[in-house]
Amino acid sequence: QVQLQESGPGLVKPSETLSLTCTVSGGPIRSYSWAWIRQPPGKGLECIGYIDYSGSTNYNPSLKSRVTILKDTSKNQFSLRLSSVTAADTAVYYCARRYNREFDFWGQGTLVTVSS
Amino acid sequence: QSALTQPASVSGSPGQSITISCTGTSSDIGGFYYVSWYQQHSGKAPKLMIFEVNKRPSGVSDRFSGSKSGTTASLIISGLQAEDEADYYCSSYTSDTTDVFGTGTKVTVL
Repeated sequence: QVQLQESGPGLVKPSETLSLTCTVSGGPIRSYSWAWIRQPPGKGLECIGYIDYSGSTNYNPSLKSRVTILKDTSKNQFSLRLSSVTAADTAVYYCARRYNREFDFWGQGTLVTVSS
Repeated sequence: QSALTQPASVSGSPGQSITISCTGTSSDIGGFYYVSWYQQHSGKAPKLMIFEVNKRPSGVSDRFSGSKSGTTASLIISGLQAEDEADYYCSSYTSDTTDVFGTGTKVTVL
């Protein structure tokens, strides 16, 4: 059974960079695509982007200029960096496996608050 | 990239059937057979319920089914149960090779 766990700071200052890591267990990450999805408090889900098995990335056009997703197959981890954050980036951030075109395994989510 | 449109809320009595619609465009739902549905209970991570329009992952009840016509997809929950009370989100692959979620629907079991 694939399991995912997000980790990283729960508080980030405005204009700084949000950095999160997702650790995957139960299978190697090299064979699938892996995604980041976020959910502002009380609101809906938003795809941030994903990295595929070859290392190619696809980002939400509205976030593309600020997002970087990388993977480290030796650690079975992938990561998210979101630069120049504002209060609008406050959300629960989920990592998930993107199997074909759907998200079949999810992490529990981690709340990141942007505040000074 | 605009969110897919879902009704804010749908309700039904136990045992009834309900349908949740998800409306997009020819660049997402209308152009691909990659529509998925997720159930999210309060404070929990979403759970995949339907993929590729009408396929169920192992372990998901056959009370859940999906369909698509043109630019609108639908999730049908039959034999509504108290445990089905949750938020539901649709998602579609898009022509710019990303994915977009719906606005979400709160299902209430009366």
